[in-house]
Amino acid sequence: DAKTTQPTSMDCAEGRAANLPCNHSTISGNEYVYWYRQIHSQGPQYIIHGLKNNETNEMASLIITEDRKSSTLILPHATLRDTAVYYCIVKKTSGSRLTFGEGTQLTVNP
Amino acid sequence: DTAVSQTPKYLVTQMGNDKSIKCEQNLGHDTMYWYKQDSKKFLKIMFSYNNKELIINETVPNRFSPKSPDKAHLNLHINSLELGDSAVYFCASSHVTSGGSYNEQFFGPGTRLTVL
Repeated sequence: DAKTTQPTSMDCAEGRAANLPCNHSTISGNEYVYWYRQIHSQGPQYIIHGLKNNETNEMASLIITEDRKSSTLILPHATLRDTAVYYCIVKKTSGSRLTFGEGTQLTVNP
Repeated sequence: DTAVSQTPKYLVTQMGNDKSIKCEQNLGHDTMYWYKQDSKKFLKIMFSYNNKELIINETVPNRFSPKSPDKAHLNLHINSLELGDSAVYFCASSHVTSGGSYNEQFFGPGTRLTVL
């Protein structure tokens, strides 16, 4: 699975959009971009995934660049409960394994 | 209803003891996993079972033995516990489509194991 690079930490004001970047320059054609998050002392939680088109669900939006070498997870109106470590993971859907990196610690401030 | 549950939530034990952590999912998934999160917060997969068959077995000491009595359960037994086994252990499950694609994983709340 391709390696990903994320900033170590980010801050966001409550009510504003949180934009979390991820670089995956070695992604291959059949690899998807997945986002999970881990709120303190809880198990990781799936957020969203995509291949090349932008995706949106009730939690977030995922914007993938045309060359697929990077993506951005957008939380449109961040709340204090969105404070968590966010993991960007690249993998094929045929693979069961999730390989977690260090992720980005997002802190939403009042 | 809890989707993926683990027991116990906390486990404190002495070095050398044998202990088990239980995991159950009520989502009807056919694949289950064990992950370990160490003190530096790195999450690493340990094992994965699909329909009670082992499909992933990372480089984990053979003191760790997963057991899947049925598709809804994946237990983790640890023999001769060592200090370095102290960590949070997460169970997860996912569905596999007929085309062989693994859907998103659902994680349990974790079991914090402390070995003294």
